[in-house]
Amino acid sequence: ILNVEQSPQSLHVQEGDSTNFTCSFPSSNFYALHWYRWETAKSPEALFVMTLNGDEKKKGRISATLNTKEGYSYLYIKGSQPEDSATYLCAFYQNAGNNRKLIWGLGTSLAVNP
Amino acid sequence: DSGVTQTPKHLITATGQRVTLRCSPRSGDLSVYWYQQSLDQGLQFLIQYYNGEERAKGNILERFSAQQFPDLHSELNLSSLELGDSALYFCASSVGGRTSNGQFFGPGTRLTVL
Repeated sequence: ILNVEQSPQSLHVQEGDSTNFTCSFPSSNFYALHWYRWETAKSPEALFVMTLNGDEKKKGRISATLNTKEGYSYLYIKGSQPEDSATYLCAFYQNAGNNRKLIWGLGTSLAVNP
Repeated sequence: DSGVTQTPKHLITATGQRVTLRCSPRSGDLSVYWYQQSLDQGLQFLIQYYNGEERAKGNILERFSAQQFPDLHSELNLSSLELGDSALYFCASSVGGRTSNGQFFGPGTRLTVL
């Protein structure tokens, strides 16, 4: 059974605060780790695709790191803005021969108060 | 707009019925993924097709089936519908077959089973 866990489940921050959340996944047969941003009433939108241990990716105020050996990834948001309010999902892709699956976490719901 | 289209937007049907959801991927994308999102649950990966062939299978019920046609559009068939099948069904597409790139999500089809 593959488990992807995200913490915290939800987060409320003030505008300007920096924040981070965690995605934990099995460390065996790693293939890729994806981060998505999902705003209410919209579709998930890809933020990062990470494939190598030690990867660091950045897009504006949002960045992510990856540790495949210990099975976790962090997503950081610097200087949160109200428009960052969304659910942030991670998805883990395990390379396991013919039994490939993309397992999604339940997400971290972020609310940024102005 | 991600470039992925899904029809219909909404579907209301009765238990025991069968429905077909349709997805057209972004131009040039060969992979199509189907997801189910039920109330209070995360994104459940159902199945992936790549260039017409099944590539990965997730938590897809036996009552559900999918296919990808030569023009790369895909259909998800749901039969013997139950109340619990009410959900938002997303289709996503990507260029490659192994999600080395992020996925682009369609707007979803909301299925209500009465």
